Amino acid sequence: QKEVEQNSGPLSVPEGAIASLNCTYSDRGSQSFFWYRQYSGKSPELIMSIYSNGDKEDGRFTAQLNKASQYVSLLIRDSQPSDSATYLCAVNPPANRDDKIIFGKGTRLHILP
Amino acid sequence: GAVVSQHPSRVICKSGTSVKIECRSLDFQATTMFWYRQFPKQSLMLMATSNEGSKATYEQGVEKDKFLINHASLTLSTLTVTSAHPEDSSFYICSARALTTGIDEQYFGPGTRLTVT
Repeated sequence: QKEVEQNSGPLSVPEGAIASLNCTYSDRGSQSFFWYRQYSGKSPELIMSIYSNGDKEDGRFTAQLNKASQYVSLLIRDSQPSDSATYLCAVNPPANRDDKIIFGKGTRLHILP
Repeated sequence: GAVVSQHPSRVICKSGTSVKIECRSLDFQATTMFWYRQFPKQSLMLMATSNEGSKATYEQGVEKDKFLINHASLTLSTLTVTSAHPEDSSFYICSARALTTGIDEQYFGPGTRLTVT
């Protein structure tokens, strides 16, 4: 049973447009939610964390969390070719589970110049 | 954000030898560290969870006698690939959990690319 689901893509977005990445999770009591960016051949880099319902903005990135619907999304405004990467959604399960953060398999994003 | 280092970044070894990879949290204490493996164009695969001062917890299908993990301090965990074979060639990535009031985040090291010849 998959616990964090993402569309694998590739998602192609024109340069300058908004890229929207979505993720759903199964554990309703999950506490914390993260977005990582992974360039090809590199390790994942944490770009956003969100802990409460609503929006959280950081530069061109906005994370959105809706615990009632069990989804978290990442918006990238003014997309740049350098945003082309795989984006991993990660969820910290309820406190009574083990320490593992659960990762989705990632969405490949391709920004078209 | 917090910084996690890994050493070496690349290693080539002969089949049958052992390789040790170090993972350090440079500016925070990590009670929990994780070891992942990633094959080309595939997803991250968690190998084991390492807690300081206790035995590592291995994921199903990961041989604990082949992949030895030691988490000797709050800033250092090591992974030793014993009797390496070509099929162990992969990208090994560690991560460390930073847990403070209101924050619970996991940071990755840059990874170690292992090639077994």
